[in-house]
Amino acid sequence: DQQVKQNSPSLSVQEGRISILNCDYTNSMFDYFLWYKKYPAEGPTFLISISSIKDKNEDGRFTVFLNKSAKHLSLHIVPSQPGDSAVYFCAAKGFGNEKLTFGTGTRLTIIP
Amino acid sequence: DAGVIQSPRHEVTEMGQEVTLRCKPISGHDYLFWYRQTMMRGLELLIYFNNNVPIDDSGMPEDRFSAKMPNASFSTLKIQPSEPRDSAVYFCASSSPRDRGEETQYFGPGTRLLVL
Repeated sequence: DQQVKQNSPSLSVQEGRISILNCDYTNSMFDYFLWYKKYPAEGPTFLISISSIKDKNEDGRFTVFLNKSAKHLSLHIVPSQPGDSAVYFCAAKGFGNEKLTFGTGTRLTIIP
Repeated sequence: DAGVIQSPRHEVTEMGQEVTLRCKPISGHDYLFWYRQTMMRGLELLIYFNNNVPIDDSGMPEDRFSAKMPNASFSTLKIQPSEPRDSAVYFCASSSPRDRGEETQYFGPGTRLLVL
């Protein structure tokens, strides 16, 4: 049972435009959500996170939005740059639990 | 700090052979995680340790898989006997709640395993 779902395996976006990556979850006990970015032959690296008490968190070009009622979060990248081409993983955890549950990832390609 | 260190980076073996993957977490981190990445299932948590003690091994596929953490600076994931379906990238990650900020886990570069 996939508790964290990324339904788009891939996404292509023109350089300079907005990239929007989506993630859905089913477990209502999740209260902290993260996005990780992964380049080929490297481990995932943390990008941005959001607590369930917020609905938005911003860090430079990256913004994460959380819609708790819909159990949905999204990552916005504006403007998109070639270096953003990578696989993006959505992850979630419950309060007091160190265990992260990951989605299957979305491969983002930025077209110059 | 050098980050999480994994060895080997690549492993090619034949079906039935024993495979041992190694991990050195970031110094001072008291949580260690083993993940497996496949195209179909993404990143799956296999097992995690807290202060060298296994906390949750519900993700370990079957008895062929075992993990140990004999001390705070070393962990192994062993597959015996290996099968072609074990082919994947295996990641080790570590974390420390005391460093609570936004990031929770730091990942190593992974071991790419191919079982022929």
